[in-house]
Amino acid sequence: EAQVTQNPRYLITVTGKKLTVTCSQNMNHEYMSWYRQDPGLGLRQIYYSMNVEVTDKGDVPEGYKVSRKEKRNFPLILESPSPNQTSLYFCASSPFSLALNEQFFGPGTRLTVL
Amino acid sequence: DQQVKQNSPSLSVQEGRISILNCDYTNSMFDYFLWYKKYPAEGPTFLISISSIKDKNEDGRFTVFLNKSAKHLSLHIVPSQPGDSAVYFCAASGGSNYKLTFGKGTLLTVNP
Repeated sequence: EAQVTQNPRYLITVTGKKLTVTCSQNMNHEYMSWYRQDPGLGLRQIYYSMNVEVTDKGDVPEGYKVSRKEKRNFPLILESPSPNQTSLYFCASSPFSLALNEQFFGPGTRLTVL
Repeated sequence: DQQVKQNSPSLSVQEGRISILNCDYTNSMFDYFLWYKKYPAEGPTFLISISSIKDKNEDGRFTVFLNKSAKHLSLHIVPSQPGDSAVYFCAASGGSNYKLTFGKGTLLTVNP
């Protein structure tokens, strides 16, 4: 089944404790992206990647890191999480030719930073 | 600075009637527009898109209209069904990058 998976789905952590949210897709997509969804703010893009070793900032990259060492994986790293990073996070992927069209989204990761 | 605006947080419509969801944008570099639909506890799913070279795109019950001069687009759902009840996000992209900018979303409720 073609899908985007995220792990963990739920995470409660404390300020300053490094964490990684993994994202993996099995559709051989070139384009991958991370978003956060917050009440009243909608979806905001954090980082995106056009292909292996090619990443770029979205609208809200501060406090986040990403890497794209393999085509299928695009982990989101919070080196020193803070409470304002409490949010619902979505990973998405699409074929490069459709990078701005049909993105396939994962189920989301709900992160709480205490 | 909010570049994609969905000014109606919610909309309630009767089953069978038309639903019209609106979206305004400020960045004149945007040249591709998309609508996504999101159910609770799920990721967004792509619905329909339109390029700036067109003013209308239709897919079944869903039609998107683009008015470039007014920097406005709208999504029409006809006829509306209870299963259409969801949050609808407008998104836009353009220029030399592949960033996607979303609006805040509109919660559509279709009443039986």
